[in-house]
Amino acid sequence: AQSVSQHNHHVILSEAASLELGCNYSYGGTVNLFWYVQYPGQHLQLLLKYFSGDPLVKGIKGFEAEFIKSKFSFNLRKPSVQWSDTAEYFCAVNALNFGNEKLTFGTGTRLTIIP
Amino acid sequence: ETGVTQSPTHLIKTRGQQVTLRCSSQSGHNTVSWYQQALGQGPQFIFQYYREEENGRGNFPPRFSGLQFPNYSSELNVNALELDDSALYLCASSLGGRGSNQPQHFGDGTRLSIL
Repeated sequence: AQSVSQHNHHVILSEAASLELGCNYSYGGTVNLFWYVQYPGQHLQLLLKYFSGDPLVKGIKGFEAEFIKSKFSFNLRKPSVQWSDTAEYFCAVNALNFGNEKLTFGTGTRLTIIP
Repeated sequence: ETGVTQSPTHLIKTRGQQVTLRCSSQSGHNTVSWYQQALGQGPQFIFQYYREEENGRGNFPPRFSGLQFPNYSSELNVNALELDDSALYLCASSLGGRGSNQPQHFGDGTRLSIL
């Protein structure tokens, strides 16, 4: 069965700092990869996704993520964070061999941006 | 477009009772997935419905059951409620099912508390 690890449980940064959130997954087959964000009081929203092709994917609000297959990683990055990026971030994996769109989520990283 | 809507938003039940949660999928979507999100955890996959048939199930007991209707709305039923069932229940819809590579769109969730 697949699993997802997010090593940073709570990250605190000042505005304009650079961000990198780690995500590693365990599954030997083909995967689709996602980052979702949950702003306070709101539902989960898709930040970006990787299905195939260029391993560097760009999402909304200046976020990007890089899929490194050899490291089973899909880290999320943003060069300069804003106070409005304060939210919970979830990495998720869909293993394609199971014939459905089951998402396996990590435990999430809470990001707090200090103005 | 109309997003994913869930009802009710909050619910309080006691142990042993039964509960039904409802979800209206986003317009044009034919696949609905249900997730349980305990406090401080990532969402856990319960099951998925594609065109009214179950299309994958997570590690949840049979007292968790579901339905999908011809208009692609869905219900999650939980019998014999236990204290550990207290969680946020999320519904997500997508287009295609069966490896269609479409991202899931989430509702706001139903907060279920068991006393």
